[in-house]
Amino acid sequence: AQSVTQLDSQVPVFEEAPVELRCNYSSSVSVYLFWYVQYPNQGLQLLLKYLSGSTLVKGINGFEAEFNKSQTSFHLRKPSVHISDTAEYFCAVIPRSGSARQLTFGSGTQLTVLP
Amino acid sequence: EAGVAQSPRYKIIEKRQSVAFWCNPISGHATLYWYQQILGQGPKLLIQFQNNGVVDDSQLPKDRFSAERLKGVDSTLKIQPAKLEDSAVYLCASSVGQTNNEQFFGPGTRLTVL
Repeated sequence: AQSVTQLDSQVPVFEEAPVELRCNYSSSVSVYLFWYVQYPNQGLQLLLKYLSGSTLVKGINGFEAEFNKSQTSFHLRKPSVHISDTAEYFCAVIPRSGSARQLTFGSGTQLTVLP
Repeated sequence: EAGVAQSPRYKIIEKRQSVAFWCNPISGHATLYWYQQILGQGPKLLIQFQNNGVVDDSQLPKDRFSAERLKGVDSTLKIQPAKLEDSAVYLCASSVGQTNNEQFFGPGTRLTVL
């Protein structure tokens, strides 16, 4: 089984400041990792994913994340946030193999960008 | 390309009533998922279909929840009878196949059970 822990439930940050949203996971098997964003009253949108290769992954809207296997972390970063980045962010993992593979989500981090 | 469609967007019912949600996945996507997202939590998978067959329904409360995808395209999720704790957003997602790692999500149906 897999579990995902998002260490901060809420992160307030001023516009144009950098931000890091933290994600740690636990799994007995190798996993793929994802970050999704959810704007109010909308479904989830994929920000970025780590499948293999370089541990630094770039996504949409200027976000990036770094996979750290030894620390089982996949933290999301953006060097300069905008008001429009205000949303809920979810970290998720899925096993790399198996018959019934399901996404396991963290509980989410609400990012609020302040003017 | 049209996204995943869901209806209704909002539903308010009283406990012990029945409710149904509808989902139309992206054209050509063989795999369809229903998730339950309770306020303050991440989505939790309820059921996964591959075409019209069930791949995983281990977390579906089968005494009250049912889902079908008869023609391998659109799907319905039903709750009968509803309980207060069923209040949540129900998200539908689809992907090209089981091994494809990107799931595309619909806007969800927000259910309030009074």
